[in-house]
Amino acid sequence: LAKTTQPISMDSYEGQEVNITCSHNNIATNDYITWYQQFPSQGPRFIIQGYKTKVTNEVASLFIPADRKSSTLSLPRVSLSDTAVYYCLVAPPNNNDMRFGAGTRLTVKP
Amino acid sequence: NAGVTQTPKFQVLKTGQSMTLQCAQDMNHEYMSWYRQDPGMGLRLIHYSVGAGITDQGEVPNGYNVSRSTTEDFPLRLLSAAPSQTSVYFCASRIGGGEKLFFGSGTQLSVL
Repeated sequence: LAKTTQPISMDSYEGQEVNITCSHNNIATNDYITWYQQFPSQGPRFIIQGYKTKVTNEVASLFIPADRKSSTLSLPRVSLSDTAVYYCLVAPPNNNDMRFGAGTRLTVKP
Repeated sequence: NAGVTQTPKFQVLKTGQSMTLQCAQDMNHEYMSWYRQDPGMGLRLIHYSVGAGITDQGEVPNGYNVSRSTTEDFPLRLLSAAPSQTSVYFCASRIGGGEKLFFGSGTQLSVL
């Protein structure tokens, strides 16, 4: 499985755009990139998944450069309720050994 | 749909006691898994199952047993609890070939 590296923590202010980058230098050809969000005292929840270029949904955007060695989760105009831990996972489809790293702890301040 | 349901939400054990954490899902998901999360840490995979009768170990399986007799249920057993097993335990499920994991709300376990 591809090893991922994310910043341990980030701070932001309400209304700002937040970009969290995940490095995955040894990503395999058939690997997908998936991001999860975990609020305090809750289980993680799926945010977004992509393979290449850009993916956007109602929650976030995911930017993946052509070499796919990194990816960036973009949260537009964050609010206090976006304070959470964000996890980047890189794995092939139907992967059973789904492991989470330490994630990035995002704190949004007023 | 209730999704993934975990019971109990909180549990306190004494060292050496045994107990079973329950996990049930009503989405007909083939894949189920257990994670533990220590304070301030990420999730670590304990065991997973790709269907009834099939289980496999994750990265931290020691001290835990699992079985999968039905599609819906995936209990996690602690045979002899140790203080090092104090953690929050999350159960998750997904469809067989999917990537999107659905998590339960967790069980907070303290072993004294």
